[in-house]
Amino acid sequence: DTGVSQNPRHKITKRGQNVTFRCDPISEHNRLYWYRQTLGQGPEFLTYFQNEAQLEKSRLLSDRFSAERPKGSFSTLEIQRTEQGDSAMYLCASSPRWTGGGFEQYFGPGTRLTVT
Amino acid sequence: AQTVTQSQPEMSVQEAETVTLSCTYDTSESDYYLFWYKQPPSRQMILVIRQEAYKQQNATENRFSVNFQKAAKSFSLKISDSQLGDAAMYFCAYRSAESGAGSYQLTFGKGTKLSVIP
Repeated sequence: DTGVSQNPRHKITKRGQNVTFRCDPISEHNRLYWYRQTLGQGPEFLTYFQNEAQLEKSRLLSDRFSAERPKGSFSTLEIQRTEQGDSAMYLCASSPRWTGGGFEQYFGPGTRLTVT
Repeated sequence: AQTVTQSQPEMSVQEAETVTLSCTYDTSESDYYLFWYKQPPSRQMILVIRQEAYKQQNATENRFSVNFQKAAKSFSLKISDSQLGDAAMYFCAYRSAESGAGSYQLTFGKGTKLSVIP
C-alpha cells in the first residue's frame, strides 16, 4: 500500500497526558498537511509543511500542539497536556509537487483521539 | 476568509437513481479550486472530482459530474446511477489558487451524509 499511513489509528488517553501521532506521506510528496475533524464537522486545517519547513499554522493550533517533519519525510503531531476538547479525528494528507493544478491532497485514515 | 456551506445534512437515493448534493461558497478571490471528497464510514477520505474556477466547462468523472455556477458561487455534485458503494459522507472543499498565506489549505463544508437505498 503506497497511500498515506497514520499511526496509531486509535488513541485513548487521560486528560493531562501527552500524545504523539505519526504520519507517513506518499513517497516523494513534498507537501504535508494536518487537519482535525470533530463529530459532525468537516476537517479543519491545522498546519502545513513544504518539505521540512512548517509554512502555515492555524489559530486552532494552540501552544500545546507542535508538529515536525524532520528531513521532509514523515511528520509527527504532538499534543501536550491533553484536554477533553482535543478529542477528535486527526487527519494527515499529502500532495505532490506541481501537477498542473489543484495540488490534490491525498488523505490518510486518521488517528482517532479520545481524551477521558 | 472563505466559507463553504453544505445545506443538506442528509440525503437518500434509490439505487440506480440520480442524486444532487448542494454546495455554496463565499470568496472574494477570482481564481480557486473546488473539490468534492467522499468519506466512507471508517475509511479514509478520497477525492471524487475537482473543478478549476477559470474553466467554464463542468468537470465529469464517470458517474460523477458537477454543476459549477461561478457567479452564484454554487458547486453541486450529481451522482448518476447510484450504487450501494456511493453511501458515504460527501464534503465540498475550497482551495485558493492565489499565492500567499492560506493558499494551500482546504476549507471544507460540514458534509452531507448520503444513504443509498437498495
